[in-house]
Amino acid sequence: GAGVSQSPSNKVTEKGKDVELRCDPISGHTALYWYRQSLGQGLEFLIYFQGNSAPDKSGLPSDRFSAERTGGSVSTLTIQRTQQEDSAVYLCASSSEWRGGRDTQYFGPGTRLTVL
Amino acid sequence: GQNIDQPTEMTATEGAIVQINCTYQTSGFNGLFWYQQHAGEAPTFLSYNVLDGLEEKGRFSSFLSRSKGYSYLLLKELQMKDSASYLCAVRENTDKLIFGTGTRLQVFP
Repeated sequence: GAGVSQSPSNKVTEKGKDVELRCDPISGHTALYWYRQSLGQGLEFLIYFQGNSAPDKSGLPSDRFSAERTGGSVSTLTIQRTQQEDSAVYLCASSSEWRGGRDTQYFGPGTRLTVL
Repeated sequence: GQNIDQPTEMTATEGAIVQINCTYQTSGFNGLFWYQQHAGEAPTFLSYNVLDGLEEKGRFSSFLSRSKGYSYLLLKELQMKDSASYLCAVRENTDKLIFGTGTRLQVFP
């Protein structure tokens, strides 16, 4: 596709369940980013990938959060034992350059996660 | 520490000019971005500044002063469709972006 796609667009789950969120970056983009946007808050960085490796995992809120990327393309963000405070919109972005230049990050539409 | 400040809300009239300010304090600096985000949608890229000065792109311009840790986004000839949140984001020495909480702009007829 032409842009970043994410699935599902909406996810409602019960507290304690695990969820997987998927991101398909723009074809050819080597860098992939996950952010979280809670109601009334700014975007919060979670993790980014360069290729299949994750140089910076500093934003992951707890060990319940993990992410992987395979084939330098699709990425999955997994949240285990979800809590109500995990409710947010999870945004994925990709960019074509690594370290420098105007490597603009292009965002997907997000997955709205609601934990009941 | 990291701190990016923007006004929470602004209002303006259709056809007018509005300036949205952003101040930042980060441990490093490797570029400042402005994004537009309509309610319920993904942020879309507006502008990028890495050197001091003004970048103009149609009705939108963005200014940066690195010594002052300051940027602004200038929107001219406002249209109703410009009602959105405007996000200021700084890239530190790594590749992640640090975002402000965004400025919600409402344009009235």
